[in-house]
Amino acid sequence: QSALTQPASVSGSPGQSITISCTGTSSDVGSYNYVSWYQHHPGKAPKLMIYDVSNRPSGVSNRFSGSKSGNTASLTISGLQAEDEADYYCSSYTNSNTLEFGGGTKLTVL
Amino acid sequence: EVQLVESGGGLVQPGGSLRLSCAASGFTFSTQEMTWVRQAPGKGLEWISYISSAGSSMYYADSVKGRFTISRDNAKNSLYLQMNNLRVEDTAVYYCASSTRIGWLLYEAGMDVWGQGTTVTVSS
Repeated sequence: QSALTQPASVSGSPGQSITISCTGTSSDVGSYNYVSWYQHHPGKAPKLMIYDVSNRPSGVSNRFSGSKSGNTASLTISGLQAEDEADYYCSSYTNSNTLEFGGGTKLTVL
Repeated sequence: EVQLVESGGGLVQPGGSLRLSCAASGFTFSTQEMTWVRQAPGKGLEWISYISSAGSSMYYADSVKGRFTISRDNAKNSLYLQMNNLRVEDTAVYYCASSTRIGWLLYEAGMDVWGQGTTVTVSS
């Protein structure tokens, strides 16, 4: 089992937009729409931000959006705010009945 | 309030065993699939195990297969993780997680409820 590939870090200024990529294979991201994104502040429980590639749970800001093309999923955060600074993880179901997480991306709001 | 509360973590020597528990409340535990996810110090999230709502299907990450066993007691609204033959690399915060969406596959709906985590330290 290999982790999905995410950039280690991204940064942006308040008000800007950023995109975090999540690259898998035809055994996971490429074959299923079961891609989720989680926000994780150190010391707290992860928070679901996107499920099923592009759906937002109730209560999640519409500044967060998700998409997928081929083996790569993406999370876009628009109108960056200071409170968005956190670690972000993608996850995908795999054809081995397992779940894979990405390595995580640290978002810094400048 | 929807809640998951883990317990059972602690310090254990390599080769030892621990049993983690996860108590669920505020949602219909017996209808929901459950998972365990861990985070080693300085590392990312790692999925380690899944169990179906009835407890009839279980899956494991290669890193714990043959050493860890997931189980549940729907009458007690509880999830468990029996960890045997522990290794230093099993040191991590362990989270239980699930979805509150009825009728959805767990990995389709995403995990929208997580516990606060319990810390397992494997060291001599």
